[in-house]
Amino acid sequence: DTGVSQNPRHKITKRGQNVTFRCDPISEHNRLYWYRQTLGQGPEFLTYFQNEAQLEKSRLLSDRFSAERPKGSFSTLEIQRTEQGDSAMYLCASSLAPGAGADTQYFGPGTRLTVL
Amino acid sequence: SQQGEEDPQALSIQEGENATMNCSYKTSINNLQWYRQNSGRGLVHLILIRSNEREKHSGRLRVTLDTSKKSSSLLITASRAADTASYFCTPTQRNFGNEKLTFGTGTRLTIIP
Repeated sequence: DTGVSQNPRHKITKRGQNVTFRCDPISEHNRLYWYRQTLGQGPEFLTYFQNEAQLEKSRLLSDRFSAERPKGSFSTLEIQRTEQGDSAMYLCASSLAPGAGADTQYFGPGTRLTVL
Repeated sequence: SQQGEEDPQALSIQEGENATMNCSYKTSINNLQWYRQNSGRGLVHLILIRSNEREKHSGRLRVTLDTSKKSSSLLITASRAADTASYFCTPTQRNFGNEKLTFGTGTRLTIIP
């Protein structure tokens, strides 16, 4: 399977704990995006990277959230001191960079986080 | 990026019928994309239509774009149970390509066997 993969698929944690999610994009894709989706809503943008550089962060990304893409390949999203409001599906997507003729983002299956 | 607004919010049809859903947006765009999301396959890209295109087809999907009315429609012909999903449109403004996508609440399509 050469699509976007995310791990874990499900995570249950207690309030106050830290969690980390991983995303592996499609190998030739320069850009990597993180979105969050709550029940009944569409995905909301959190942040994106072009190669190693984090180019934009949403105001939704509080200082408890941090994302990295250290080698320009996989990315991690960490949430510190989780709160019940962090419960959501966390989606990762990847795409080719602008100028490469591709405007489409390809999404992974998501990591469902439940904070008890 | 701007948010598209899908209409209707929910739609139920019999299997084999055609389903039409609409998307409206507020400012000029470079392209507009439709995505489908169901529990089995997650969020999947369906089709992209550029601002200089009026209609595009992909299998049983037909997308139209009317930039003068700032609207798009997605037609699914001969619906199947597997088409049951939420459908989102994502209008994109910038010319230099891939930016964050902004999603509305989508149209929830249910195909009744």
